[in-house]
Amino acid sequence: EDQVTQSPEALRLQEGESSSLNCSYTVSGLRGLFWYRQDPGKGPEFLFTLYSAGEEKEKERLKATLTKKESFLHITAPKPEDSATYLCAVQEVPDKIIFGKGTRLHILP
Amino acid sequence: EADIYQTPRYLVIGTGKKITLECSQTMGHDKMYWYQQDPGMELHLIHYSYGVNSTEKGDLSSESTVSRIRTEHFPLTLESARPSHTSQYLCASSLRSGVLDTQYFGPGTRLTVL
Repeated sequence: EDQVTQSPEALRLQEGESSSLNCSYTVSGLRGLFWYRQDPGKGPEFLFTLYSAGEEKEKERLKATLTKKESFLHITAPKPEDSATYLCAVQEVPDKIIFGKGTRLHILP
Repeated sequence: EADIYQTPRYLVIGTGKKITLECSQTMGHDKMYWYQQDPGMELHLIHYSYGVNSTEKGDLSSESTVSRIRTEHFPLTLESARPSHTSQYLCASSLRSGVLDTQYFGPGTRLTVL
């Protein structure tokens, strides 16, 4: 069964403490992978698209990387405003998009 | 910033009522989606549309219906609401870039059925 698994489920970090979130996937054919940020009570906000293994994208304190079986979202020197749930989604051949359950990130001041 | 709107943002209704959740986007996207999301859980696709007059059922069994008469508008209707329909409903539209459909989400409607 095609699936997307995110770990850890929840992560608490001190402000400035860098870490990584993981998204592993098992799909029959990968078109690409997305990362979203979701704040409580709001819809997901698009962050990155990754198309192929080896690709990297950066935005402020966030960097997303992709291998053949997983993706990482690296957070460097996070601030309290980075606290949110981070969702990973995979688009497989032909068009289906599968979401993970997300990682709840809490940055302590 | 994505221009996709949902109304109402919050709705509390009694069992058996008919409701329509509105979704509009001003980006001219052809593909639109409805997802259901419970706290701490993944998004589940309930309906999607490739364009005007196109509607498809998603993975999650749903007692709702959708229509797509105009490109910008994709309402979702529950004919008879039940407590099991209590959830967050998210509307999205997507832009095809190469082989990928990058989705942009609305703010969501939090539905509570008493």
